[in-house]
Amino acid sequence: GIQVEQSPPDLILQEGANSTLRCNFSDSVNNLQWFHQNPWGQLINLFYIPSGTKQNGRLSATTVATERYSLLYISSSQTTDSGVYFCAVARSGNTPLVFGKGTRLSVIA
Amino acid sequence: GAGVSQTPSNKVTEKGKYVELRCDPISGHTALYWYRQSLGQGPEFLIYFQGTGAADDSGLPNDRFFAVRPEGSVSTLKIQRTERGDSAVYLCASSLSTPSSYNEQFFGPGTRLTVL
Repeated sequence: GIQVEQSPPDLILQEGANSTLRCNFSDSVNNLQWFHQNPWGQLINLFYIPSGTKQNGRLSATTVATERYSLLYISSSQTTDSGVYFCAVARSGNTPLVFGKGTRLSVIA
Repeated sequence: GAGVSQTPSNKVTEKGKYVELRCDPISGHTALYWYRQSLGQGPEFLIYFQGTGAADDSGLPNDRFFAVRPEGSVSTLKIQRTERGDSAVYLCASSLSTPSSYNEQFFGPGTRLTVL
């Protein structure tokens, strides 16, 4: 099956700093999603981005499908950005997502 | 509109007991997925429904696990003879099933199952 690798596994930032999270995947995909899992365990949808670039406020994401990677950018980080960020992919539209192990982000004031 | 809901939010049971976990997907979403998340790991797929039928149950760990979706909306995950290793957060997700490839999945808050 598809393998998903996320880096770094852990990241500590000072409030206001920028960061880039990476997701590598082993096969072509038709679905790629980025999630933020908050301290209560809820998975919050950040981006649906099987290809291209999207921006939402301080967050943006880019997926280069031909090179099998995606990047999540967080600018001007805030303490509320803390949590685990997951990348998940699926080979085709309705098939189940395969998740990476996540990047645990801690933003300190 | 309302998101995916799951009940109960927490379930504590004893080893050997039977449990049922419920998922109510977003209205109009025909695809429904169950995942399981252990501490420190990403969610792992269990079973996927398209309408009333299980399209893929390859993630179910053994025959103690079973899921149904009789009317194509609410789904119930059933676990028989629970074991301590079944303790995890069980997540449900749903998505539109469109002819295009756009099928973003939305997750519920999960049910935390603890088997004593």
